[in-house]
Amino acid sequence: GQQVKQSSPSLTVQEGGISILNCDYENDMFDYFAWYKKYPDNSPTLLISVRSNVDKREDGRLTVFLNKSGKHFSLHITASQPEDTAVYLCAAGVGGSAKLIFGEGTKLTVSS
Amino acid sequence: GGIITQTPKFLIGQEGQKLTLKCQQNFNHDTMYWYRQDSGKGLRLIYYSITENDLQKGDLSEGYDASREKKSSFSLTVTSAQKNEMAVFLCASSLTGGARDQNTLYFGAGTRLSVL
Repeated sequence: GQQVKQSSPSLTVQEGGISILNCDYENDMFDYFAWYKKYPDNSPTLLISVRSNVDKREDGRLTVFLNKSGKHFSLHITASQPEDTAVYLCAAGVGGSAKLIFGEGTKLTVSS
Repeated sequence: GGIITQTPKFLIGQEGQKLTLKCQQNFNHDTMYWYRQDSGKGLRLIYYSITENDLQKGDLSEGYDASREKKSSFSLTVTSAQKNEMAVFLCASSLTGGARDQNTLYFGAGTRLSVL
């Protein structure tokens, strides 16, 4: 089965609003969590990542929230802009392993 | 900086054909990956390799072979192409291992496969 799931295939947010992208995982052993961004016809690039020893990490307009008991992590993008329009892929892995598992992706559209 | 080069960019094959996709990186990264991207299914891990001559199966390894004969290259073989199959295959590399050391995965531009 899919170990990392993004239940929303798409999301539309007004410019200036907060975009919230969600990811659920199954494996209790996962302790590394990341968000990648993908523009059409481009390859994914890393946006932000966290280890399980923190519940939250901020980087500019981006914040990752980690809920270990709920096996859930999310990406919040404040002051969303049209250039944030892209597919966002969550990923998770076990710290002792090189293996990284991706979710299905959520297409974010920021409308002006 | 470095670059990941995938060849070919486009691959058209016949049903039942064995097809090989190649990937080269000049980052001097230890770990390399092959992912398959299908619409609505995200990236699914086919094979990865943590060092030269190492191979580790991902969740989608059935129907594929891989080879890591040099640190800089990682090839993927579709053992028998399926009729009407269409997908993008992405190669990636990271310094030691994505989750292990929080290393960024760097992706190539992809190989787009179509099977007639």
